[in-house]
Amino acid sequence: NAGVTQTPKFQVLKTGQSMTLQCAQDMNHNSMYWYRQDPGMGLRLIYYSASEGTTDKGEVPNGYNVSRLNKREFSLRLESAAPSQTSVYFCASSSQDRLAGELFFGEGSRLTVL
Amino acid sequence: QQQVKQSPQSLIVQKGGISIINCAYENTAFDYFPWYQQFPGKGPALLIAIRPDVSEKKEGRFTISFNKSAKQFSLHIMDSQPGDSATYFCAADRGSTLGRLYFGRGTQLTVWP
Repeated sequence: NAGVTQTPKFQVLKTGQSMTLQCAQDMNHNSMYWYRQDPGMGLRLIYYSASEGTTDKGEVPNGYNVSRLNKREFSLRLESAAPSQTSVYFCASSSQDRLAGELFFGEGSRLTVL
Repeated sequence: QQQVKQSPQSLIVQKGGISIINCAYENTAFDYFPWYQQFPGKGPALLIAIRPDVSEKKEGRFTISFNKSAKQFSLHIMDSQPGDSATYFCAADRGSTLGRLYFGRGTQLTVWP
């Protein structure tokens, strides 16, 4: 089982460039999330989508946009990259079974902005 | 403001010892407290989780202790093994925001053989 797949795994950008991180899940989950992980900061929620057609801001949404393309896919876009966006980005998904509560994470996309 | 505070930042334990990681929270609306384990180059994966209606949950060598009145919970790893070397994150979730986990800053555990 693939689970949650993220592309690309690595990317180097120059300040001001744009790019889109792609995420797809094959577990038929309703909810999908984008987190960023920085050293000593843990994981911080950027945006999430509780179901197809809806998106909401998380803790650190500034500088990002998202698109829930369909039930499987959730993309994260940086319109004008800044060095402060150098981070490891994780996509995750979960079912809406309240008793389950488990997030399934991809392996991450490592972004460097010069 | 950090919703979940985790300590220590790093921990070194000898093989066979007990590893203990602590977390504290303020928001009494939190009702789900998972621990995630992350190996280098991988995404976090759920290790064990607890809800506030119980004070302890054990799965193999891993135990969560939960103190509702103190708003604290901890992870105990018994008989720690080199394969347990990883980063551990505690987290908390509110009932009305499924999956919107608030994570601690992580503890890097190293188990020496």
